[in-house]
Amino acid sequence: NAGVMQNPRHLVRRRGQEARLRCSPMKGHSHVYWYRQLPEEGLKFMVYLQKENIIDESGMPKERFSAEFPKEGPSILRIQQVVRGDSAAYFCASSPGWVEPKKAYEQYFGPGTRLTVT
Amino acid sequence: AQKVTQAQTEISVVEKEDVTLDCVYETRDTTYYLFWYKQPPSGELVFLIRRNSFDEQNEISGRYSWNFQKSTSSFNFTITASQVVDSAVYFCALTPISGAGSYQLTFGKGTKLSVIP
Repeated sequence: NAGVMQNPRHLVRRRGQEARLRCSPMKGHSHVYWYRQLPEEGLKFMVYLQKENIIDESGMPKERFSAEFPKEGPSILRIQQVVRGDSAAYFCASSPGWVEPKKAYEQYFGPGTRLTVT
Repeated sequence: AQKVTQAQTEISVVEKEDVTLDCVYETRDTTYYLFWYKQPPSGELVFLIRRNSFDEQNEISGRYSWNFQKSTSSFNFTITASQVVDSAVYFCALTPISGAGSYQLTFGKGTKLSVIP
């Protein structure tokens, strides 16, 4: 099964620690998106990446958050010095981009990483 | 900026009833895509459908059907003969096809559907 994979599924961090969330896109997909689902707020776009490039990070908090999608390996969402307000479900999605024009805008989501900050 | 409104926060139906989930959107873009996703209790997001703004033909897939009306900016989702496995949170989403914000999905807050046996 070549679905979007995220790990870990659950992550517990103490305030001040770093959280690293990983996402492997579907096979053949070169575009990755990160979304955050906060309680009572719904799903919000954070960042859109292609291999080695950040295309749109307009939804990323200005501080402590960063994302990368290296040439080799998974995409990483990194949260430094976590605070309780970072507790949320973080979803990664991928799409094929213009390799498959008819499906370019279809984003397929992973199972999410539930981050709990204690 | 885009906005998606799902006015129904929670709906409960008895198994085998039909149910319609409403979605109303706002956008200044002339071309855009609309989506529905399902989030079952296990938490993952499952893609259901994508519809583009220049195709108002309704679509049916098994027990699911979608009614897109550009004139009222609505993209409603109907489940016929609901089943317990349909219990989930359903999200409507929108993205412009070009320009600023394209590829960003703007989600509604979701409608929680409970199907009672």
